[in-house]
Amino acid sequence: QKEVEQDPGPLSVPEGAIVSLNCTYSNSAFQYFMWYRQYSRKGPELLMYTYSSGNKEDGRFTAQVDKSSKYISLFIRDSQPSDSATYLCAMMAGGYQKVTFGTGTKLQVIP
Amino acid sequence: GAVVSQHPSRVICKSGTSVKIECRSLDFQATTMFWYRQFPKKSLMLMATSNEGSKATYEQGVEKDKFLINHASLTLSTLTVTSAHPEDSSFYICSAPDIRGQGNPFFGPGTRLTVL
Repeated sequence: QKEVEQDPGPLSVPEGAIVSLNCTYSNSAFQYFMWYRQYSRKGPELLMYTYSSGNKEDGRFTAQVDKSSKYISLFIRDSQPSDSATYLCAMMAGGYQKVTFGTGTKLQVIP
Repeated sequence: GAVVSQHPSRVICKSGTSVKIECRSLDFQATTMFWYRQFPKKSLMLMATSNEGSKATYEQGVEKDKFLINHASLTLSTLTVTSAHPEDSSFYICSAPDIRGQGNPFFGPGTRLTVL
C-alpha cells in the first residue's frame, strides 16, 4: 500500500465548476499537509499549506484535513481554464522534513 | 513566498558525461535541501536530502556514487549526475524548507536532463 493515494484522473470540468480533489494516506505521523500545482515541465508551486486537522481558505481554494479519516481535500471554486494543471497532494511528519507526494491529479477546465 | 532557483533549466548531454545541477535559495538560508526526480506523468520521488556541512542522506535504491550531492553553502546545493546514461534522463527538482515559516518546502523550477 502506498503511503499516499491520489486518483490520477484526468478530471475534466466546465469553466465555473467547483472542483474537488482528494487524497488518502496511511501514515498517522503526517502532520503537515500541502497542495501543489504543477504545470507541464515546471516545478511544483505551493498552493495551500495546513497543519493538522481543519479547514483553510485562500481565495478560490479551500483545503480540508481530516486526520481521523486520514483524508485531505482541495476545493477550487469558480474554476478557470488557467487552473488546468496537475495537482499534487503532499505531506510530511514535521517541518523541514522530507515530503511524500501523491501521484497527482491532472485537471482540465474546459472553457 | 520563498524563491528557489535551479540552473540549468534544461541540459542535453552525451552518454558517459557528467552533469551538474545547481539549486539556490534566493532570499533565505537553507541548511537542508531535497532533491527529487520526476518521470513523465509520474509523481516526484525523493532522491536524497542535502545537508549543509555534512554528507547527504540518500533514499533506498539511489546510488550515492552516481548522484553526487554537495551542499556548499547555506544557499547552494549541487547535484552531479556522473557518467550519465539515457535512463538518467528525467526532470530533477530541488526544494528547500523556508526557515522563516514552519518549514514548508518551496520547489525550484526543475531541470530537464536528456542523455543521448
